[in-house]
Amino acid sequence: DGGITQSPKYLFRKEGQNVTLSCEQNLNHDAMYWYRQDPGQGLRLIYYSQIVNDFQKGDIAEGYSVSREKKESFPLTVTSAQKNPTAFYLCASSIRTVLYGYTFGSGTRLTVV
Amino acid sequence: AQTVTQSQPEMSVQEAETVTLSCTYDTSESDYYLFWYKQPPSRQMILVIRQEAYKQQNATENRFSVNFQKAAKSFSLKISDSQLGDAAMYFCAYRTPLNTGNQFYFGTGTSLTVIP
Repeated sequence: DGGITQSPKYLFRKEGQNVTLSCEQNLNHDAMYWYRQDPGQGLRLIYYSQIVNDFQKGDIAEGYSVSREKKESFPLTVTSAQKNPTAFYLCASSIRTVLYGYTFGSGTRLTVV
Repeated sequence: AQTVTQSQPEMSVQEAETVTLSCTYDTSESDYYLFWYKQPPSRQMILVIRQEAYKQQNATENRFSVNFQKAAKSFSLKISDSQLGDAAMYFCAYRTPLNTGNQFYFGTGTSLTVIP
């Protein structure tokens, strides 16, 4: 079945450490996105990529980094510069040229301990 | 950046009754798309319904329908014959056209409780 796989489902990080969240899709979608979800704030865009080897900052990119070396993969690194990283992270993908909705992954819950 | 406002943090409805969730948005563009997403306790985001701004006819998907008022920049979701499985967080979303970033902007969500 086609879809988006996010791993791990739960992730714990010590303060000062970098951590990478995985997002893989087999839908042949061009565009991929990372969102952060906090209670009462909805979803906020961190980074997005329309094509391989190209990505743009979203509204809250500080303290995060991404790469898009393959069409199927869009990993997100939460760096030690992100001051409040505890949140739920959602990855999404879409066909770039057709304005359908996103397909979302099941999310990763990151907790700083 | 575009803004999407959901003014009802929480709503409740009796099973089998009808409920309407509100959404307004701010944009200067004429061509865009609007969506409603459902997020149940599993936290998996599920597309409920979408509306193209150039279409005057309101979108309908089974028990879900929208009231799209372009001039008022309003996009409400009506759920008819509410079921227990409709209990979830509902997010309104605005999508910019391809030539202006092709991004989604989400509201803060409305938590819907269905009372048996």
